[in-house]
Amino acid sequence: DAKTTQPTSMDCAEGRAANLPCNHSTISGNEYVYWYRQIHSQGPQYIIHGLKNNETNEMASLIITEDRKSSTLILPHATLRDTAVYYCIVSPRNTGTASKLTFGTGTRLQVTL
Amino acid sequence: GAGVSQTPSNKVTEKGKYVELRCDPISGHTALYWYRQSLGQGPEFLIYFQGTGAADDSGLPNDRFFAVRPEGSVSTLKIQRTERGDSAMYLCASSQDRGGEQFFGPGTRLTVL
Repeated sequence: DAKTTQPTSMDCAEGRAANLPCNHSTISGNEYVYWYRQIHSQGPQYIIHGLKNNETNEMASLIITEDRKSSTLILPHATLRDTAVYYCIVSPRNTGTASKLTFGTGTRLQVTL
Repeated sequence: GAGVSQTPSNKVTEKGKYVELRCDPISGHTALYWYRQSLGQGPEFLIYFQGTGAADDSGLPNDRFFAVRPEGSVSTLKIQRTERGDSAMYLCASSQDRGGEQFFGPGTRLTVL
């Protein structure tokens, strides 16, 4: 699996947009970008995924650069409940042994008052 | 319906003992995954089931670890002759199909004394 690089930690003021970057310069053509987050003492939670187009859902937006070598997860109005570790993962989709997720150490986002 | 459930939530055992960890996936999800997470690290893949068969067990650390999913629903992770290094959070996830978004349970925290 391609590796990803994320900042270790970030701070964001409540109500502001949180922009979490991820580099995946060795991503393959069939690999998607997935974002999960893990709130303290809970299991990871799926946020969003994309291949090459920007995506938006009720939780976040995902912006993928044209060359697909990097992406940004955007939480438009961060709240204290968004404090978590955010994982950026690249993985093929719908292929047998590659269905596993390879987590790095993620970005610890701290949302403050 | 309900999300992924895992039992027990906490397990304390002594070195050398045998333990079983149970995972109840979301109803209808054909894919089931086990991960292990040590403190301060991201989850690490252990094994993946598609239906009843283990499609990928490349993450199992050694032959003391074994998992089954006899009826394609509930799965049990079995650890023989536990060691202190086996202490970790064991996470289970399920997805509707191979390569789909994974939904995680709350985990079982295993402590080997």
